[in-house]
Amino acid sequence: GAGVSQSPRYKVAKRGQDVALRCDPISGHVSLFWYQQALGQGPEFLTYFQNEAQLDKSGLPSDRFFAERPEGSVSTLKIQRTQQEDSAVYLCASSSDRGGSTEAFFGQGTRLTVV
Amino acid sequence: QQPVQSPQAVILREGEDAVINCSSSKALYSVHWYRQKHGEAPVFLMILLKGGEQKGHDKISASFNEKKQQSSLYLTASQLSYSGTYFCGVTEKLTFGTGTRLTIIP
Repeated sequence: GAGVSQSPRYKVAKRGQDVALRCDPISGHVSLFWYQQALGQGPEFLTYFQNEAQLDKSGLPSDRFFAERPEGSVSTLKIQRTQQEDSAVYLCASSSDRGGSTEAFFGQGTRLTVV
Repeated sequence: QQPVQSPQAVILREGEDAVINCSSSKALYSVHWYRQKHGEAPVFLMILLKGGEQKGHDKISASFNEKKQQSSLYLTASQLSYSGTYFCGVTEKLTFGTGTRLTIIP
């Protein structure tokens, strides 16, 4: 596709439910980033991939959060046993290089509401 | 660790200038700048690579001092469309700064 695509755009989950958020990066992009953005806050780093390798997952808030990118393209962020504090917009971005030297393109995000 | 931006918020009249600063505790090799409007995804403005260069497009420019681990974004003759929250982004994992909310009033 022409840009980074995220699905679903909106997700309402009951507390305790598992959710999976999908990110389709720009074709051929090496680096893929996930962020969590709470209302009124800036994007907080969650995790980062180069191809299929997850190089940094230091931002994942708990072991309920898990991300994968098995073939180095599409990525999925999974949240188990969702809690109300997980409500946020989840942003995905991709870039063509490995070292932060090129522009990152963002998807429109998935707004997760946990009720 | 998250870069610190200053000021946190600024209100300008159309046509005025602004400077937004980004300071990191880690060594920097590049700095990205993004603008995010309410309800939208961040949009890339520019990237500065190691070497102390300055860059600009239109009336927005930036500088990068890797020794001081700082970058500054300069907006001149601000337009209404410049309103939004500005973020710097650093390191290969693109950690965003604390953000600066810019409001331009007519």
